[in-house]
Amino acid sequence: QSALTQPPSASGSPGQSVAISCTGTSSDVGGYNSVSWYQQHPDKAPKLIIFEVNKRPSGVPDRFSGSKSGNTASLTVSGLQAEDEADYYCSSYAGRYNSVFGGGTKLTVL
Amino acid sequence: EVQLVQSGGGLVQPGGSLRLSCAASGFTFSGYWMTWARQAPGKGLEWVANINVDGSEKYYVDSVKGRFTISRDNAKKSLHLQMDSLRVEDTAVYYCALNNAWRFDPWGQGARVTVSS
Repeated sequence: QSALTQPPSASGSPGQSVAISCTGTSSDVGGYNSVSWYQQHPDKAPKLIIFEVNKRPSGVPDRFSGSKSGNTASLTVSGLQAEDEADYYCSSYAGRYNSVFGGGTKLTVL
Repeated sequence: EVQLVQSGGGLVQPGGSLRLSCAASGFTFSGYWMTWARQAPGKGLEWVANINVDGSEKYYVDSVKGRFTISRDNAKKSLHLQMDSLRVEDTAVYYCALNNAWRFDPWGQGARVTVSS
């Protein structure tokens, strides 16, 4: 039940693209396609933005995309906007009906 | 509208107990797994517990096993987290969430739990 590894911070200027990684093991990220990403603004509840590695819920802009290679999943935010500044968390199914989150990445829009 | 509204939380002394609740509306509650997660002050999200559709299967993070109990009342469309033997390190905002094939959406508004003497 070790947390997934995310970089503590990421940044980019408006209009640029930024990628956030999420590294686990073959027992979680690498073993299942149940990787999700959440956006959390200060003092707000998390919001689902990507599920099943690369699917977007309705209403989430297509500027947000997800991918996975081996034990590492990635979230890419294209065309950065000021409102994208938030904390981002990945999560994965970890087997035996357990779940695991990443440590979180603070995205700053310069 | 799918919605989860939380209640409970507060200040409790170490060793004490607290019960959190989560009222569901806008979806067939009895058809979905549910999840509790928490976020310590200034820290990241941590998965706490999962419960299956009829409450017969419950799964916990190691740090709360034997102290926390997740339960549900499908007739009342409610989810609960009974927290006993609370420790200072359990201080966090606790969230309930609809668990749909291991994606958590939506989330409740959160309930703050502070364990302190």
